[in-house]
Formats: sequence, structure tokens, C-alpha cells
Amino acid sequence: GIQVEQSPPDLILQEGANSTLRCNFSDSVNNLQWFHQNPWGQLINLFYIPSGTKQNGRLSATTVATERYSLLYISSSQTTDSGVYFCAVERIGGYSTLTFGKGTMLLVSP
Amino acid sequence: EAQVTQNPRYLITVTGKKLTVTCSQNMNHEYMSWYRQDPGLGLRQIYYSMNVEVTDKGDVPEGYKVSRKEKRNFPLILESPSPNQTSLYFCASGSTSVTSYEQYFGPGTRLTVT
Repeated sequence: GIQVEQSPPDLILQEGANSTLRCNFSDSVNNLQWFHQNPWGQLINLFYIPSGTKQNGRLSATTVATERYSLLYISSSQTTDSGVYFCAVERIGGYSTLTFGKGTMLLVSP
Repeated sequence: EAQVTQNPRYLITVTGKKLTVTCSQNMNHEYMSWYRQDPGLGLRQIYYSMNVEVTDKGDVPEGYKVSRKEKRNFPLILESPSPNQTSLYFCASGSTSVTSYEQYFGPGTRLTVT
């Protein structure tokens, strides 16, 4: 099956700092999504980004499909950004099954 | 508002007592799926459905049943729950249209089996 690797596994930031999270995947994909899992366990949809660049407030994401990686940028981080960030992909011909990476755990301290 | 709903959100039950976790979506999506999330193991797919009356096993189907009698609903059934099914469960839905493969997740159901 398709492999999804996220880095770094853990990240500690001071409030106001910027960060970049990376997702590498091993096959061509139809779908790539970034999620934020909050401390209550909910998976919040951040971006649907199989290719290209998108921005939403302080967050932006870029996927370079030909090189099989995606980046999530968080600028001016806030304590509410804390949680686990997951990248999930669906390979082409994958019957809509999403394969998740192991996540990046982010802690933003005041 | 487009959404996926799950009920109950939290459930504590005992070994062997049958239970059903409901999942409903209001986006007319063909595809629906169930995942479980466990520490150290990540999110793993239990079952999925490509449309009404079409279901198939995911990576960890043992101990679970599903049905898809209506397009909007995809209940997860645990006929005889065991403690190793204690987990956080997510339902998801998506369109099989080629215009977008984006999937939407429910809020999760935290299940404890004692």
C-alpha cells in the first residue's frame, strides 16, 4: 500500500513562531488532506490539496504532486494551534480509502 | 450546513452487550467509511461503502458489521463488544465524482468496553 511519512513527529513552539510540517507519500494520489486533531479528539478539515497551493488565514499548504510531498505552514502560531496534525492521502485507484500518516504533535506555549 | 454526524459521542458499555454507532451525512455522498484510532497505531479503516447496498472490508473489520440501506446512513454495529474494541471511532463520507475526492469526518465516538 501507499506509505505516508510525516515530519517532524513532535514540535514545540513559542507563541508567535512560524513552522513547517512535511508529508511525503510514496505513490500518485487523487486526494491529499491535512487535518488538525484538537485536544477533544475531533478531526478538523484544514485543506483538501492534491496539488497546488492554498491559504486560509495563518495556515497555508502546498502540494508538489510530481515530487510526492506536501507542506503545511503555520504562521504566528497560537496556543489554540496545539494538537496533532495529520496528512492523509488516497492513491489513484484506491477506492476512496484514505491512508493517514502518524501525525505531527504540535505544542504551542504562551 | 454540510456535515457528518455520529451518535453517541461517548459510550461506556460492558463486554458482550450489542451496540450500534450511527453515522449520517447530508451531502448526498456515495462513499462512506468507518475508521478507528488507537494510540501508536493511528487511524485504520474498518469498513467502507461505495454506495447503497455496497460495502467492503477495510484493514480491521473483525468484530464489526455495517449496513448501507440508505445513502445518508452508515451504522457501525458491534454484536459482541470486547475490551480490545475500546477506541475512538470516526465516520467519513465523500463524493466519488472526479471533480473532488475530498472527504468529511464526523466528530468521533469515544467507546469504552469494560
